[in-house]
Amino acid sequence: DTAVSQTPKYLVTQMGNDKSIKCEQNLGHDTMYWYKQDSKKFLKIMFSYNNKELIINETVPNRFSPKSPDKAHLNLHINSLELGDSAVYFCASSQDGIGETTEAFFGQGTRLTVV
Amino acid sequence: DQQVKQNSPSLSVQEGRISILNCDYTNSMFDYFLWYKKYPAEGPTFLISISSIKDKNEDGRFTVFLNKSAKHLSLHIVPSQPGDSAVYFCAARANYGGATNKLIFGTGTLLAVQP
Repeated sequence: DTAVSQTPKYLVTQMGNDKSIKCEQNLGHDTMYWYKQDSKKFLKIMFSYNNKELIINETVPNRFSPKSPDKAHLNLHINSLELGDSAVYFCASSQDGIGETTEAFFGQGTRLTVV
Repeated sequence: DQQVKQNSPSLSVQEGRISILNCDYTNSMFDYFLWYKKYPAEGPTFLISISSIKDKNEDGRFTVFLNKSAKHLSLHIVPSQPGDSAVYFCAARANYGGATNKLIFGTGTLLAVQP
């Protein structure tokens, strides 16, 4: 029974295409994230949503648009894909709160390859 | 500007010996530190954490030490087992105020435990 699941696990697509990655968590958490792990293995936050509201938006091209239909889902849509978008994208969730010490739970990752 | 650094990209240890993984950070506002373990083709999984008000936290074979004055933390695994072979990420929590946090990750250390 997967806590954070994302689909697809692998995605190969051509430059210029639009694609989406879906993420769902069944942990009842209020906060969800998208992280990107690039070719240098650097894991960096892209977005964070808390109760469907965008909280964190790092310096990410506006071709990337997260969408949260409800607090259990955070999808990532990418327009006009570029070669440099090739990476592994991880969805995560956590139960954040003031003073709470909580860890984030990660999905298995989506390896996106743009050709 | 890399706020969390793991300067050793890899570490090899004999089974049964101690593994020590190191992490340095630059932001004195970080209030919580975590270690994640990652196997190939899987998402990072939470291992152990420590609050900035403590200097040690122990969980079974895993102990994390925090030296705030040196802005340094380390993960000790003893005794090391072949199943511990994985990439270990150090992460620090930056609080955005209120209920929102983000994790800032190091680049990871690949631990290989030799039988």
